[in-house]
Amino acid sequence: RKEVEQDPGPFNVPEGATVAFNCTYSNSASQSFFWYRQDCRKEPKLLMSVYSSGNEDGRFTAQLNRASQYISLLIRDSKLSDSATYLCVVRQNRDDKIIFGKGTRLHILP
Amino acid sequence: DVKVTQSSRYLVKRTGEKVFLECVQDMDHENMFWYRQDPGLGLRLIYFSYDVKMKEKGDIPEGYSVSREKKERFSLILESASTNQTSMYLCASTLDRSGNTIYFGEGSWLTVV
Repeated sequence: RKEVEQDPGPFNVPEGATVAFNCTYSNSASQSFFWYRQDCRKEPKLLMSVYSSGNEDGRFTAQLNRASQYISLLIRDSKLSDSATYLCVVRQNRDDKIIFGKGTRLHILP
Repeated sequence: DVKVTQSSRYLVKRTGEKVFLECVQDMDHENMFWYRQDPGLGLRLIYFSYDVKMKEKGDIPEGYSVSREKKERFSLILESASTNQTSMYLCASTLDRSGNTIYFGEGSWLTVV
């Protein structure tokens, strides 16, 4: 099992729809979780951290399921500007190693 | 705002040339990283450093070396560039080992011909 796995997509979603991504991780000792957004030919930028109790930032909701070892990102009322690649990032407890998923590509269609 | 600056954005080098990629961060971060990103392979860690003059191999260090003589500067060196090192290189930094936010530079696009 890969350390961090994401569905590569692409997800082609009409504007205004709700879209959800999942990311699974293999190391149960992982302690910190994040979603990063990367636009084409740009660097990744932090979208949001993922907290144990789940957290929301506007149209974005992140959740963590430690028992099943996955995190999720939900985007409501999607906008054209949400088109990007979304990277799942996990920090392991044992060695502080930061592991990136390969990303999920999202295309919002007008 | 934290700034991670990669001075060379686009480079074209010949096979066998020595290549230096420079990275500077302005927030006194302890940890610095070099990644390469290729389609379908995601971000792969080349080298990282938790302190001045300290370096650790990442997942794909072969063909690369690094230098960290000052806290703010972390350089990636390709001793003899090869075509399979054509890629986008990303420098990143975090405050310390528990620092959660990873700040990236804008990337250096290297083509080796």
